[in-house]
Amino acid sequence: GAGVSQSPSNKVTEKGKDVELRCDPISGHTALYWYRQSLGQGLEFLIYFQGNSAPDKSGLPSDRFSAERTGGSVSTLTIQRTQQEDSAVYLCASMNAAGETDTQYFGPGTRLTVL
Amino acid sequence: AQTVTQSQPEMSVQEAETVTLSCTYDTSENNYYLFWYKQPPSRQMILVIRQEAYKQQNATENRFSVNFQKAAKSFSLKISDSQLGDTAMYFCAFTKPPQSRMDSNYQLIWGAGTKLIIKP
Repeated sequence: GAGVSQSPSNKVTEKGKDVELRCDPISGHTALYWYRQSLGQGLEFLIYFQGNSAPDKSGLPSDRFSAERTGGSVSTLTIQRTQQEDSAVYLCASMNAAGETDTQYFGPGTRLTVL
Repeated sequence: AQTVTQSQPEMSVQEAETVTLSCTYDTSENNYYLFWYKQPPSRQMILVIRQEAYKQQNATENRFSVNFQKAAKSFSLKISDSQLGDTAMYFCAFTKPPQSRMDSNYQLIWGAGTKLIIKP
């Protein structure tokens, strides 16, 4: 079946603008993660969704960042009043928490550039 | 807190050679999982191999194998008969099982990555 998809592939915005990044997980995967990958660095955990449970937001760097997951499927990561330090690749991953419980499958990411 | 360290920022080898990428980690947990992911220029993060800490046998996937040394907290990746398509960033990652039924978060802790270049 289809893998994890993300849109847009690239996003260029001006400082102070809001942006929305979208993630479509693998069908049937109940767990969804957002990570941020800054240039030349590893990934940094942002937020985790599991089914209808309250999300784990412990990785969000500031209150300008928020995310939601509608209907247990598609997720949107919103960054308000973007800053230049928000420039990074934002990766989404999904996992079948009911089966293979420890392997995450990633989308191609959204490269965000804040001018 | 868990940490993952990859001490080789960049490596390059000739095609068909064998290369080993290093990874060490720090944890007080006894049960956990370790992964190697590959990230080519397309940005897609692709799972290469996974290891369960309670299994002593080293995981293998075709040309890819690991040397898992639990006591030393080392998890190196060996790529045999390297191919041009192996050129990518390689990330080592760690996760531990959730601590309770209320917490099902398998968030990954990542190393900084090793850039691997396979030369023709």
